[in-house]
Parts: sequence; C-alpha cells; structure tokens
Amino acid sequence: SQQGEEDPQALSIQEGENATMNCSYKTSINNLQWYRQNSGRGLVHLILIRSNEREKHSGRLRVTLDTSKKSSSLLITASRAADTASYFCATVIYGNNRLAFGKGNQVVVIP
Amino acid sequence: NAGVMQNPRHLVRRRGQEARLRCSPMKGHSHVYWYRQLPEEGLKFMVYLQKENIIDESGMPKERFSAEFPKEGPSILRIQQVVRGDSAAYFCASSRGGDGPGELFFGEGSRLTVL
Repeated sequence: SQQGEEDPQALSIQEGENATMNCSYKTSINNLQWYRQNSGRGLVHLILIRSNEREKHSGRLRVTLDTSKKSSSLLITASRAADTASYFCATVIYGNNRLAFGKGNQVVVIP
Repeated sequence: NAGVMQNPRHLVRRRGQEARLRCSPMKGHSHVYWYRQLPEEGLKFMVYLQKENIIDESGMPKERFSAEFPKEGPSILRIQQVVRGDSAAYFCASSRGGDGPGELFFGEGSRLTVL
C-alpha cells in the first residue's frame, strides 16, 4: 500500500529557527494530511491539504503540495521548544478508505 | 466533549493469552480506524469499521486478530494467542465519515507488552 515518506528523518534546531520537512508519495491522492505526535501520546491533526490545493497556512504552519512531483512540505516557522515532536504525513488515495502514514520526522527544538 | 477514549492504556500479557483493546469514538463519530505502531515507526493501518460493519480489514493479519464495532458500546480490537511480535502501541481514531477519510481524531493508544 502507498505511504508517505518523510525527509529528513530527524531534525535538531534552535528555538526561533524554522523547520522544514518533506514528504513524497507514489500515486494520485485525494488529500494529504500532517500530524504531530508527542512522545508516548496519540497523534494530533495539524493540517489537511486537498489535491487541488497548492498551499495552506495554519498559524505558524505552512504546507505546500506539488502533485506533479508527488511531494509535500511542512514548514514550522519560529519554532518553540513545545514543537519538539514527531511529525507524520499521511495520504488518502482516491476511492480508498484509509489514511496511509509515513515513518515520521523527529524534530527537536533546543531552547 | 470527550475525545477518543482508549483503554487500557497499558496491557501486559503472556504469550498465548488474549488481549482486548477498547475504543470509544468521539461523540457523533460513526467511523473507527485501528492502527498499530512499532517503536520508531509510523502507523500501519489495520481495519476500518462503521457501526456494525467492517468496511476494510485489509491491514489486519488473517489469523488471531479481529475487530468489531457493535451498535452499542465501544469498538473492540481482539488479539488471540498473543505472541511477542504483537507488542506495539495500538491506536484508534474516529471520524464523522463522508467523502473519504478527512481529519482523524486519535486516542492516546493502548500499549501492549507480550512477555
């Protein structure tokens, strides 16, 4: 089954810097979603971008989607220590019932 | 407005025993998904259910695993005759449904350890 693949896998940055993560996928999608997971916790939905959208913002988050390259990026601006978490992209294929997750990016924001 | 509730949060079983994991979706949600997460890995889809129906169980192992979402009560993921490889975090998520999976709301997970 198709899954998102995030890149890079681990990222360590200073508080205040921006963090960028990329995700690639293999087949046509209905939508792509980003989730955050703090250690030992469940996943929290961050943002959903549909296949006919190119960019979306939510607070300090900016997501882009390039369907021609089958890739998406998540940008966290002005990072905070509380942004330390794992970030997952997930895709929904047309006509499919499931959300397929990538392996995730671990982001550490150093105060 | 309670979120997705999973219990138990932690479960320890010996090989050969049964594990039952429960999930109560968010109020108003009739679609439930189960995922399994191994350490340092992403979530693997297991099964998608609506009330009284299994819609997609293509990610569920053919043996020992079963899931249900009865008309009344929580969704149950049942693992019979557990083996060490079943040790993982099992997450339940719910949604309102509609045009394909939109935003999923996740529970805090049930962490199964098989001794």
